[in-house]
Amino acid sequence: GESVGLHLPTLSVQEGDNSIINCAYSNSASDYFIWYKQESGKGPQFIIDIRSNMDKRQGQRVTVLLNKTVKHLSLQIAATQPGDSAVYFCAENMVDSWGKLQFGAGTQVVVTP
Amino acid sequence: DTEVTQTPKHLVMGMTNKKSLKCEQHMGHRAMYWYKQKAKKPPELMFVYSYEKLSINESVPSRFSPECPNSSLLNLHLHALQPEDSALYLCASSPTSGVLYEQYFGPGTRLTVT
Repeated sequence: GESVGLHLPTLSVQEGDNSIINCAYSNSASDYFIWYKQESGKGPQFIIDIRSNMDKRQGQRVTVLLNKTVKHLSLQIAATQPGDSAVYFCAENMVDSWGKLQFGAGTQVVVTP
Repeated sequence: DTEVTQTPKHLVMGMTNKKSLKCEQHMGHRAMYWYKQKAKKPPELMFVYSYEKLSINESVPSRFSPECPNSSLLNLHLHALQPEDSALYLCASSPTSGVLYEQYFGPGTRLTVT
């Protein structure tokens, strides 16, 4: 069965503020990273990706930063909106892994008015 | 069409039942995946199909049996499941199973084993 009291790390953000979600990845050989957003009752939705030969990539209202030295990935969301409330997962894809994605533990983002 | 569809949306089954989960995509993707997700946990990979052939089985118990009838369809056959198998089962697809491709996920099937 499931553990009683299990909870995700939670980030509470006021609407309009910027959000920063952090992720420590496990394998220095990973060469592709993805951020997914998962709303309640839905499957993970692609947000943005980054390859290991880059350290920054920007999308619409989102920026991903990659620091390979310390194996750290972050997702920045500008002007956070109520619709951004969800669980955010980082995922890494290792060379020769045949598409095997390794997901991080996830962060629950709660946007308050 | 950038959608992965899964049926049924919800499934309740007894431990002696046999049921199947279905997944479909029409994006021309040649890699398809099954994941299991428990509440408040990340998805865990179960199986990978590449060009309709099973390429990864993450040591999944034999009571879960995947099948890829063609490049657009992926099934997961369930038999003699245990209550701890209750979870959200997610299907995903990508252009191929190599690196540098995002995986597109379906909405999942919420499975309850009684």
